[in-house]
Amino acid sequence: GQSLEQPSEVTAVEGAIVQINCTYQTSGFYGLSWYQQHDGGAPTFLSYNALDGLEETGRFSSFLSRSDSYGYLLLQELQMKDSASYFCAVRPNAGNNRKLIWGLGTSLAVNP
Amino acid sequence: EAQVTQNPRYLITVTGKKLTVTCSQNMNHEYMSWYRQDPGLGLRQIYYSMNVEVTDKGDVPEGYKVSRKEKRNFPLILESPSPNQTSLYFCATQRGVGETQYFGPGTRLLVL
Repeated sequence: GQSLEQPSEVTAVEGAIVQINCTYQTSGFYGLSWYQQHDGGAPTFLSYNALDGLEETGRFSSFLSRSDSYGYLLLQELQMKDSASYFCAVRPNAGNNRKLIWGLGTSLAVNP
Repeated sequence: EAQVTQNPRYLITVTGKKLTVTCSQNMNHEYMSWYRQDPGLGLRQIYYSMNVEVTDKGDVPEGYKVSRKEKRNFPLILESPSPNQTSLYFCATQRGVGETQYFGPGTRLLVL
């Protein structure tokens, strides 16, 4: 089967660094995406890794290693407003490749 | 301003009373989707459409219908709603398969 696994909850303090992992069981995919969703809000796109390695966008970075079936989202200099749920998603390159496979999301709580 | 709109944003209804949730986008995107989000279950795709008059089932299509008569609109129809369809619904659009998804603000539905 095809699935993505993420921790359900992560807690950190303001100013810290947190890493949210995403491990996957899928035969192949085009790339790994990350979305952020605040309570009561809509998911919004954060980053996309088409290739192995690190992609940096301000305080957020995302990493992909296809050989390790693993990716992560790294949030630096945490702020209270980073408290949200974070979802990883992939589009398979075999089978039904017209839709995304989503992780169940990681709820990040940033405490003062 | 590029946007995805959904209406209504909140709806309370009773079992069996047909309802339609509208979704409209002004980004000229070809690909549109409907998701439902339930606690602990993440985002589950209901239906998607790759273009006008082209729709396909997602992971949880039972009890739902969609239509795509125009590129900008993708309504979700519940012919006979049941309490297990109480959920938060999101419409999403993307320029093409594999592109970034843009989500509407969500529709919170309660079926009594």
